[in-house]
Amino acid sequence: AQSVTQPDIHITVSEGASLELRCNYSYGATPYLFWYVQSPGQGLQLLLKYFSGDTLVQGIKGFEAEFKRSQSSFNLRKPSVHWSDAAEYFCAVDPNDYKLSFGAGTTVTVRA
Amino acid sequence: NAGVTQTPKFQVLKTGQSMTLQCAQDMNHNSMYWYRQDPGMGLRLIYYSASEGTTDKGEVPNGYNVSRLNKREFSLRLESAAPSQTSVYFCASRPGGPYNEQFFGPGTRLTVL
Repeated sequence: AQSVTQPDIHITVSEGASLELRCNYSYGATPYLFWYVQSPGQGLQLLLKYFSGDTLVQGIKGFEAEFKRSQSSFNLRKPSVHWSDAAEYFCAVDPNDYKLSFGAGTTVTVRA
Repeated sequence: NAGVTQTPKFQVLKTGQSMTLQCAQDMNHNSMYWYRQDPGMGLRLIYYSASEGTTDKGEVPNGYNVSRLNKREFSLRLESAAPSQTSVYFCASRPGGPYNEQFFGPGTRLTVL
C-alpha cells in the first residue's frame, strides 16, 4: 500500500543544536515531495519542495531536505534550531496525481 | 491577495445538525481540496476538485458533500453531523499543471457534541 511514514512522533532538541526529521514513502515512481510546518493553531506553511533535479533542496527558515531515491526518503534538516522552530512538521507526497498524502507529523519541542 | 480563506474559524454543532464550511481562493487556482486533521493522523483528503465543474472523492468522503460553486469557491457540507466528524478542516488550492504546491487556508475547528 502507498504510504508516508514519519517515524518520530515527537523530538526534543536544544536551541542551537541540529535537527533532522525523517520521512519515508512507498510509491512506485518518484513522487513530488514536500515538507510543511504548522505552528500551534495555525495553517500549514510550505517549507520546501522537490520535483526533480538536484537532490538537496533549500527551503525557507534555514531548512534543507535531501531526496534519496535508493532509500525512498526525504529527510528534513536544520543546522541550528531556534526557539521559533517549535512546531509540528509534516512530510507530504504527491504521486503525480496532484493530491497529497501526509505523514502523521513530527512535533518538535525546543528547549532553552 | 488574501490567499485561501475559510469560514467559520470555529463551530460547535450538536449531533444530527447540518452545516456548510466555506472556502474561497483569490489566486485563480484550478484545483481545490478539503482535508481533515486528526491527532496522530496527519491530514487526510476528504474531497477535491481538479477544476471548476468537477469534484471527486478522496480518502475519507463518507458523511460529507462538496460543491465547487465557481472557480473561487469550494464548500464542504455535513448533512448530519456526528461526533466522529470533530476535527480541524483545511481547505487548499493549487494551480494547474505539474511542479506546483498546494496552498492552505487557516482551518476551521469543528466540534460535534
